[in-house]
Amino acid sequence: DAGITQSPRHKVTETGTPVTLRCHQTENHRYMYWYRQDPGHGLRLIHYSYGVKDTDKGEVSDGYSVSRSKTEDFLLTLESATSSQTSVYFCAIRRDRGNTEAFFGQGTRLTVV
Amino acid sequence: EDQVTQSPEALRLQEGESSSLNCSYTVSGLRGLFWYRQDPGKGPEFLFTLYSAGEEKEKERLKATLTKKESFLHITAPKPEDSATYLCAVQTGANNLFFGTGTRLTVIP
Repeated sequence: DAGITQSPRHKVTETGTPVTLRCHQTENHRYMYWYRQDPGHGLRLIHYSYGVKDTDKGEVSDGYSVSRSKTEDFLLTLESATSSQTSVYFCAIRRDRGNTEAFFGQGTRLTVV
Repeated sequence: EDQVTQSPEALRLQEGESSSLNCSYTVSGLRGLFWYRQDPGKGPEFLFTLYSAGEEKEKERLKATLTKKESFLHITAPKPEDSATYLCAVQTGANNLFFGTGTRLTVIP
């Protein structure tokens, strides 16, 4: 298994509260990604990082922010959680930007009530 | 606009009954096509990467092929443990994998 750990694995939170999800990797890969997965949709990119303190938006970035202060950690923050952000969140890592495969973590199931 | 369409949405097979899953794509500048397997409650697991039309890759009972418009994942003599959702993704010029919605495969003993 690729060395990717997501925490927490499950979380229930209330509307309007801030939430932070963590992705930790032991592979020293440069690229890290946050995706969300919802029924009827493929995995959709939220944000990604191409190095420490270097991040960029994906296709569904509204309401989310990210930070990467160390190569191994990539944090996803929901500033004020909404019910539409109930989803399963996956972190992925990639060795480089080229045509290399991405490896995924086990996911975090987030429920916003 | 980039599009990836997988069919069928769901497929039920008897053990040993071979079949194929389809991934059709419309993208500007394909740089790679990826197949993943996803089990319930888990993250996607990488299977194959295909880069150019005519390329084929095999792993156990799975074989992936690529044309200019679509990719097929052929499953030969499937077993119940092959039951999973199979995801297709494309890499274009952007730094992203664009995913289809998957095919949910059930293999009945």
